[in-house]
Amino acid sequence: QQPVQSPQAVILREGEDAVINCSSSKALYSVHWYRQKHGEAPVFLMILLKGGEQKGHEKISASFNEKKQQSSLYLTASQLSYSGTYFCGTEIAGGTSYGKLTFGQGTILTVHP
Amino acid sequence: KAGVTQTPRYLIKTRGQQVTLSCSPISGHRSVSWYQQTPGQGLQFLFEYFSETQRNKGNFPGRFSGRQFSNSRSEMNVSTLELGDSALYLCASSAGTRPEAQPQHFGDGTRLSIL
Repeated sequence: QQPVQSPQAVILREGEDAVINCSSSKALYSVHWYRQKHGEAPVFLMILLKGGEQKGHEKISASFNEKKQQSSLYLTASQLSYSGTYFCGTEIAGGTSYGKLTFGQGTILTVHP
Repeated sequence: KAGVTQTPRYLIKTRGQQVTLSCSPISGHRSVSWYQQTPGQGLQFLFEYFSETQRNKGNFPGRFSGRQFSNSRSEMNVSTLELGDSALYLCASSAGTRPEAQPQHFGDGTRLSIL
């Protein structure tokens, strides 16, 4: 079953912060975050593992709450280059999900000057 | 390090034809996953290959098939094309080993249009 992302769209001014959530009804092994710009391939941002700690990448960080099966992506002091569609991809726990990511519907982030 | 390479970038076909798409993974990566991306359905998993074996398969009809060669390059074939097969087809490569989950790195995709 597809994870649910919220919000569906976010509009920011440069320098503002945003949080994107990804919730699954299934027990997860890992959560992967990607950003895709129009006409381009999804670009890997970070991966969070079950039992792992919060990850960070420049001004973008993420967390994974195992109890809720929910991950959150935090974008701080947003830049124009952050604009794009953000996807979470989930890998189901149980050892049979080799190479299979189930993606959320995406969150469109727009950063204005 | 070279990224994931997909060829061709664009394809136009007619209904009933068949098509083969190619994917060369990042050097050293043994896992290749294929995804279909459409505005309506989003990113959907097709199948995954590791060391020439299909380890996982999504919910697509048998018209969609794939294979992987000993050098980890992968091909995807779609037979008897339908209008609904118009999409961006993405492949992603990863090391594919466990227990640490590995990130998947995507190629630029092949945009397939069915007339």
